[in-house]
Amino acid sequence: DTEVTQTPKHLVMGMTNKKSLKCEQHMGHRAMYWYKQKAKKPPELMFVYSYEKLSINESVPSRFSPECPNSSLLNLHLHALQPEDSALYLCASSQAYTYEQYFGPGTRLTVT
Amino acid sequence: ILNVEQSPQSLHVQEGDSTNFTCSFPSSNFYALHWYRWETAKSPEALFVMTLNGDEKKKGRISATLNTKEGYSYLYIKGSQPEDSATYLCAFYTNQGGKLIFGQGTELSVKP
Repeated sequence: DTEVTQTPKHLVMGMTNKKSLKCEQHMGHRAMYWYKQKAKKPPELMFVYSYEKLSINESVPSRFSPECPNSSLLNLHLHALQPEDSALYLCASSQAYTYEQYFGPGTRLTVT
Repeated sequence: ILNVEQSPQSLHVQEGDSTNFTCSFPSSNFYALHWYRWETAKSPEALFVMTLNGDEKKKGRISATLNTKEGYSYLYIKGSQPEDSATYLCAFYTNQGGKLIFGQGTELSVKP
């Protein structure tokens, strides 16, 4: 199984809502990543978990809160988002940090 | 600020044409260079991970070369097919730790 799954595929939320994005992989990868991607731009790294510990936080606002409950699962909790946070959120995993990354299909988030 | 530049930004070719694109990156503190293919409505897919100066990698009709001393990598597609239409992203790691830095991508369109 070389798949990274993400749910939901689409999410519309208001600025006062709380929601979560979920990412799962069963490849035994020990590094997992959250990226934000805006139209016509490359993916922009938000967080890296390595061996279930947060190893990189790219100065992401606290309204985004990552969680890695176990080695297969990565969540991104969202609260009080702004319309400019509307984007495609991609999850990826790799065998270890710096190895090739396997990406999920993304969650298209719209903040109204 | 570390910059990864890709050229051209977009490319339109006929089926059967061979094509190539360039990725330029800082030559100091090199650790690894990744190439990804991103088809519309799909997940980015890893093509190559290259770490050694002079590396050449091949996957079917697609190949890549790496020159770490001068800071560039070429991606070649021989006999382009419509299914090669995608955005091709290169990304680079430094040996100083930190994140995978993506270029803006080259958007390839292959017309039948």
